[in-house]
Amino acid sequence: DGGITQSPKYLFRKEGQNVTLSCEQNLNHDAMYWYRQDPGQGLRLIYYSQIVNDFQKGDIAEGYSVSREKKESFPLTVTSAQKNPTAFYLCASNAISGLPNEQFFGPGTRLTVL
Amino acid sequence: QKEVEQNSGPLSVPEGAIASLNCTYSDRGSQSFFWYRQYSGKSPELIMFIYSNGDKEDGRFTAQLNKASQYVSLLIRDSQPSDSATYLCAVSGAGNNRKLIWGLGTSLAVNP
Repeated sequence: DGGITQSPKYLFRKEGQNVTLSCEQNLNHDAMYWYRQDPGQGLRLIYYSQIVNDFQKGDIAEGYSVSREKKESFPLTVTSAQKNPTAFYLCASNAISGLPNEQFFGPGTRLTVL
Repeated sequence: QKEVEQNSGPLSVPEGAIASLNCTYSDRGSQSFFWYRQYSGKSPELIMFIYSNGDKEDGRFTAQLNKASQYVSLLIRDSQPSDSATYLCAVSGAGNNRKLIWGLGTSLAVNP
């Protein structure tokens, strides 16, 4: 079955630590996205990538970093510079041509800072 | 700045009624329009997409698009308690930009 996987489902971080969230897709999509969602809030774009070895900042990139070394993988690192990282993190992907261009989501990672 | 606006709700309807969810967008060049459903603690799942003016029906769901008024809506007929969720409206721009602009979502409660 094609889809998007995210791991871990739950992640706990101590202050000052960097943590990396995994996102893998086997949908053969070129574009991948990372969103952050806070309770009762909408989706805010952190980073996105439309091609391997290239990515762009979204609306709230400060304190985060990404890499796109393979088409299937788009890991997100939450660095110690992110002051309030506790949130629900969602990875998504879509095709870069044709309509519709809906995004498909992974199950999410819930990050809590202790 | 491109924006998508939704009433936050909560919208409360009795079981069996029609739920009407509305969304307006600011970018006249927007091409595709999406409705996602998100249950508490889960990731969003696509319900419907539309990119032509008019209505599009899929089972109990109907999406309506009016590009002149920059307005898209979702109707849920015969609402069920299992429809209780947050509904997110998303809009994509013109050209090769595959990003979606998201509304904050409308919370729907269907009461038995």
